[in-house]
Amino acid sequence: SYELTQPPSLSVSPGLTASITCSGDKLGEKYVCWYQQKPGQSPVLVIYQDTKRPSGIPERFSGSTSGNTATLTISETQAIDEADYYCQAWDSSTVWVFGGGTKLTVL
Amino acid sequence: QVRLQESGPGLVQPSATLSLTCTVSGYSINTGYYWGWIRQPPGKGLEWIGNTFHTGLTYHNPSLQSRVTMSIDTSKNQFSLTLNSVTAADTAMYYCARALLASDGVDTWGQGTLVTVSS
Repeated sequence: SYELTQPPSLSVSPGLTASITCSGDKLGEKYVCWYQQKPGQSPVLVIYQDTKRPSGIPERFSGSTSGNTATLTISETQAIDEADYYCQAWDSSTVWVFGGGTKLTVL
Repeated sequence: QVRLQESGPGLVQPSATLSLTCTVSGYSINTGYYWGWIRQPPGKGLEWIGNTFHTGLTYHNPSLQSRVTMSIDTSKNQFSLTLNSVTAADTAMYYCARALLASDGVDTWGQGTLVTVSS
């Protein structure tokens, strides 16, 4: 079965840039989404189709892909960005697959 | 504004069948979109269960496929999930979800319902 790998945790200082990676075989050939989940809340879509931001998501959030790795970049990180982040991949031959999640700490 | 609301028992006996329903308000299921289920065991990550389209076409996670049934009732604007032969490993928060296209990800989530498998 297809697997996506994320670092379990990442720490960043306020105002700096956080880069969360997601790796998988031939990931660049699939569509990637990213979700933010805060404790006790449902996930929120922050990036879809690799690079697109849904309405209402700050421009500080951006996505990119290269080869087998997708990256969610959060610029000028704020305390409110502290959350778990999940990548998700899809292509026409597979189904949805989620990464294991990355806990982002802002300190 | 679209709203999804899960409903169903919070406690299920081991080896029994888990049944959940998602009621959609603010949008007609008949119009389109993928309607799906995603779960999250306590303290763990997200796991996709399956999607169903308004035509009745369904896609399931291969790891659960033999135990999963999904259906859609356009007259009630609801879609449902049944999971057979549950074990403690099926204890999780179950979310219903909506996606415009499979490539677009989930743009709307329900609040989730916690299902515990225990005797």
